[in-house]
Amino acid sequence: QVQLVQSGAEVKKPGASVKVSCKASGYTFTAYYIHWVRQAPGQGLEWMGWINPNSGGTNYAQKFQGRVSMTSDTSISTAYMELSRLRSDDTAVYYCARFDVPVNWLDPWGQGTLVTVSS
Amino acid sequence: EIVLTQSPGTLSLSPGERATLSCRASQSVSSFLAWYQQKSGQAPRLLIYDAVSRATGIPARFSGSGSGTDFTLTISSLEPEDFAVYFCQQRNNWPQAFGQGTRVEIK
Repeated sequence: QVQLVQSGAEVKKPGASVKVSCKASGYTFTAYYIHWVRQAPGQGLEWMGWINPNSGGTNYAQKFQGRVSMTSDTSISTAYMELSRLRSDDTAVYYCARFDVPVNWLDPWGQGTLVTVSS
Repeated sequence: EIVLTQSPGTLSLSPGERATLSCRASQSVSSFLAWYQQKSGQAPRLLIYDAVSRATGIPARFSGSGSGTDFTLTISSLEPEDFAVYFCQQRNNWPQAFGQGTRVEIK
């Protein structure tokens, strides 16, 4: 079955960077875009951007441009999201999700990775 | 940038009752709207896409309606497993955006 498995929780200091991984299985990795969405504690969902694993092309929400980098390694069917210059308000659960075709929406999602930014 | 406003913030109902959730867009998103369910401590799950289509495996008690700026998610008869938070999402305009969510809690 289609599955996205993310890396474990991280604790980082302000100003540091974090890199979250998302390993795909059960489908052809290069055939579907991967999106990243985050959720601050007790808050709603915030779209961050996407990567096309086939071409490496990316599209980032303006809020994160200059601080986020989405990459992929097709040899191991894994997507990555790196966020730099972390601040306390970056504390959130970060999700990856497959952009399903032909439905053209996010399904399924990874289990989420909690990133805590604290001095 | 499109803003999605969900109402109410919290809906307190009993099992077996009908739930009606609203999502209003600040400008038209055509039918490019989806609904997701998120249970406590879990990732969101796609319920409804393109405003009215149920995702694979979603029970028939979930239905979506609307187009343009006003959308509704209806749960015809609440089951115990339906008590969760529901988010709407649009992808008609960049950037994609989510509503702030409606919590459906047991009364």
